[in-house]
Amino acid sequence: QVTLKESGPVLVKPTETLTLTCTVSGFSLSNARMGVSWIRQPPGKALEWLAHIFSNDEKSYSTSLKSRLTISKDTSKSQVVLTMTNMDPVDTATYYCARIRVTILVDVWGKGTTVTVSS
Amino acid sequence: SYELTQPPSVSVSPGQTARITCSGDALPKKYAYWYQQKSGQAPVLVIYEDSKRPSGIPERFSGSSSGTMATLTISGAQVEDEADYYCYSTDSSGNPRFGTGTKVTVL
Repeated sequence: QVTLKESGPVLVKPTETLTLTCTVSGFSLSNARMGVSWIRQPPGKALEWLAHIFSNDEKSYSTSLKSRLTISKDTSKSQVVLTMTNMDPVDTATYYCARIRVTILVDVWGKGTTVTVSS
Repeated sequence: SYELTQPPSVSVSPGQTARITCSGDALPKKYAYWYQQKSGQAPVLVIYEDSKRPSGIPERFSGSSSGTMATLTISGAQVEDEADYYCYSTDSSGNPRFGTGTKVTVL
């Protein structure tokens, strides 16, 4: 059974850096045909793709957020980490990690973790 | 920047057909995917590669794509189909993008 679980702080202050971890099971981060995406959803708003990483360390970032995002993986720990710098209240959202195929299909999602940005 | 445009809302009576559109300039060359998101839950894939249905998704869900528009059809909508629906695809450079989302009401 494929599962993904997000973890990280519930509350961050403006200007701080957010670090989120996605721990996967049921598939390997070394699988050539699979990777992990991060996607977020502000309250009452649409889904927004943020970044993804594949087994060969190929990375892709949202054009509008590229300067603030870094994605990395630790295959031995089955973890993918997303950092977002200079957090702002508009970054308040539920952050999801999900499995992505090389075809860009996102097929399995974590339950999401809610992050609030407030002083 | 590239956008996938959906109608904000669609209403349908139980047993009737709901159609949700997704418009994007790259859709003639890129697959569309559709996700259902019920309140407080993570999205679930209901259609992939324009018209394929994952195992476990009811047959009443179908997809199609023509030109710059992809369509998700719910034939014989049920009360449990009430949810937000998002299309998903890529721009011409291969960057993923979600649609603006459509709230489907079944009443």
